[in-house]
Amino acid sequence: QSALTQPASVSGSPGQSITISCTGTISDVGAYNYVSWYQQHPGKAPKLVIYEVSNRPSGVSNRFSGSKSGNTASLTISGLQAEDEADYYCSSYTSSSTSVFGGGSKLTVL
Amino acid sequence: QITLKESGPTLVKPTQTLTLTCTFSGFSLTTSGVSVVWIRQPPGKALEWLALIYWDDDKSYGPSLKSRLTITKDTSKNQVVLTMTNMDPVDTATYYCAHRLAANDALDIWGQGTMVTVSS
Repeated sequence: QSALTQPASVSGSPGQSITISCTGTISDVGAYNYVSWYQQHPGKAPKLVIYEVSNRPSGVSNRFSGSKSGNTASLTISGLQAEDEADYYCSSYTSSSTSVFGGGSKLTVL
Repeated sequence: QITLKESGPTLVKPTQTLTLTCTFSGFSLTTSGVSVVWIRQPPGKALEWLALIYWDDDKSYGPSLKSRLTITKDTSKNQVVLTMTNMDPVDTATYYCAHRLAANDALDIWGQGTMVTVSS
């Protein structure tokens, strides 16, 4: 299967909100509510910030939220902070019983 | 507390077989629903899902590398092993293993990753 499609880069000023999209197909994002989002700072392992489309793991700020419509999932970060600057990846379960990641989006906090 | 740690060679030659070990603690791969996933990330590039093994020894492989991958587990040692045959310089990457939540496919705990360089 092909990687999920994400914008290569997004940016926003402190305090603003940004949204990162993640587009798949009817065989992955559109078929299951098993979409996750990961935050990765340079040189670090990814960290889970959203699972099952819109659920936050314990300890993740409520400034992070997720949603899905059809074959596209979205991650919204509100009240942007400098520490949010990182790469973000979506992933989805697929009809092949595997998972697939997106190409990643680099978030710059201006 | 769940932890995972990857280990293996940092340098392999082209055409060689890579063997990586994920040693974990805080959970058991004999518990129903538990699974472990391998992921890789070439320098400056995106994450790529490689393989998954379940508590019942069921396995899944990413389609692009399926023919070159084998994932196994040793429950007595709390280890998951990934082998990748016929290594090529394009396989240079950081390789991660992660604990996968049973109910929703999320990777909630990741290892620190191990960098593997393929070069003659």
